[in-house]
Amino acid sequence: EPEVTQTPSHQVTQMGQEVILRCVPISNHLYFYWYRQILGQKVEFLVSFYNNEISEKSEIFDDQFSVERPDGSNFTLKIRSTKLEDSAMYFCASSLEQYTDTQYFGPGTRLTVL
Amino acid sequence: QKEVEQNSGPLSVPEGAIASLNCTYSDRGSQSFFWYRQYSGKSPELIMFIYSNGDKEDGRFTAQLNKASQYVSLLIRDSQPSDSATYLCAVKSGGYQKVTFGTGTKLQVIP
Repeated sequence: EPEVTQTPSHQVTQMGQEVILRCVPISNHLYFYWYRQILGQKVEFLVSFYNNEISEKSEIFDDQFSVERPDGSNFTLKIRSTKLEDSAMYFCASSLEQYTDTQYFGPGTRLTVL
Repeated sequence: QKEVEQNSGPLSVPEGAIASLNCTYSDRGSQSFFWYRQYSGKSPELIMFIYSNGDKEDGRFTAQLNKASQYVSLLIRDSQPSDSATYLCAVKSGGYQKVTFGTGTKLQVIP
């Protein structure tokens, strides 16, 4: 069964450093998403991406975040200058269609900012 | 602010019993409703989705939707210890792609 994959599973970084989180969505899916979950809190939407551009973003997704689909398979989330409060699980998701289709989640990357 | 509310629990049920999980949402424009299961330290795993009022059954799981009351529920029949997890209610509003999650209800199935 096709699934979303994410690398690395755990990333430790120093405050102020840049990190790139990588995702490979399900191959025939067209819509891609990033969510995050701070420990003990709810899953929060960050951004959605379609046709090589951002289609929707939350207030969390400020100028320090960016997303890119550098090739036909990878989807990345970059955090330019990490802060302590960026420590969280970051989940990538993908869906085939836009509004009514289910989003399937990858296993997540645990980001720890020291 | 679109909200999805769930009782955090824990909800404890004996093995073999029916577990009933509830969720309310604030946005009347919501069109798609999802239940995800999340084990500790893992990602959300889709259990069911429902779009129309009424019941939808899939194996031991039944999702119920009442748009007039802005209420979604999940019934788990013949609960098993492996069902012990946090159950996330998630809602998508019409015209938007983002899914809004509740904080989740922790379910404990006691052997």
